[in-house]
Amino acid sequence: GENVEQHPSTLSVQEGDSAVIKCTYSDSASNYFPWYKQELGKRPQLIIDIRSNVGEKKDQRIAVTLNKTAKHFSLHITETQPEDSAVYFCARINFGNEKLTFGTGTRLTIIP
Amino acid sequence: DTEVTQTPKHLVMGMTNKKSLKCEQHMGHRAMYWYKQKAKKPPELMFVYSYEKLSINESVPSRFSPECPNSSLLNLHLHALQPEDSALYLCASSQDLEDQPQHFGDGTRLSIL
Repeated sequence: GENVEQHPSTLSVQEGDSAVIKCTYSDSASNYFPWYKQELGKRPQLIIDIRSNVGEKKDQRIAVTLNKTAKHFSLHITETQPEDSAVYFCARINFGNEKLTFGTGTRLTIIP
Repeated sequence: DTEVTQTPKHLVMGMTNKKSLKCEQHMGHRAMYWYKQKAKKPPELMFVYSYEKLSINESVPSRFSPECPNSSLLNLHLHALQPEDSALYLCASSQDLEDQPQHFGDGTRLSIL
C-alpha cells in the first residue's frame, strides 16, 4: 500500500530546543521523500528532501534521516525559532506509480 | 516569490455556476498537478498531467474537468459543484513525473454557497 503515518499530530517545543517528526511508510518501492512546511493560509513549501540511496541529509538547522529497512524517515529541526511554527507534512513517492502520498501532518508550535 | 501562479486567489460560487481555476508556471516543467486540501488535512491528489496529457485521474467526479492547453498552463473547470467541494485547490509542477520535487502555488480558496 501507499499509506504514510506521521507522528506526533501536534508538537510544542521551547524556543531553542530541537523538534523531531517521524513518518512511516508501507510501500518498500518508495524512492523519494520530501518534507513540506505549510504556514496558515499559505502554500506547502518544500524545506528538504531525500532520495532512497541516501541515509541522511542536512541543510543548516534542518535534517532528514531515512531508514529504508525499517521504512521510516524523520525530520529534525535544531535551535527552533518562532518562525518554525507551522504544519509540517512528510510525503513519499514511488516513481513507478507517480503519486505523491502525504502524511497527516504535524502542527509544530514554538514557545518563545 | 512563488513560481507557480494561481488565479483567482478566492472564489465564491453557487452550485449552478460555471467557473475555472487557472495555474501557470514558466519554469519549463512538464508535469503539473491539481490537489484539493480541506482544513487541517494534507493535500489530496486530483489530477496529474505529463507533457500536456492526462496521466492520473484519482476518480474525481466529472463536475471537475481539467485542461492543459499548453506546457505552461493548467486549468480546472468547475460546474455544478456541491458545498462539500469547498476547499483550497492547489496547483503544483515538477520538472517531469520522475524529476521531483513538486512546487506548489498559493492556491485558490473556493467556497460553494
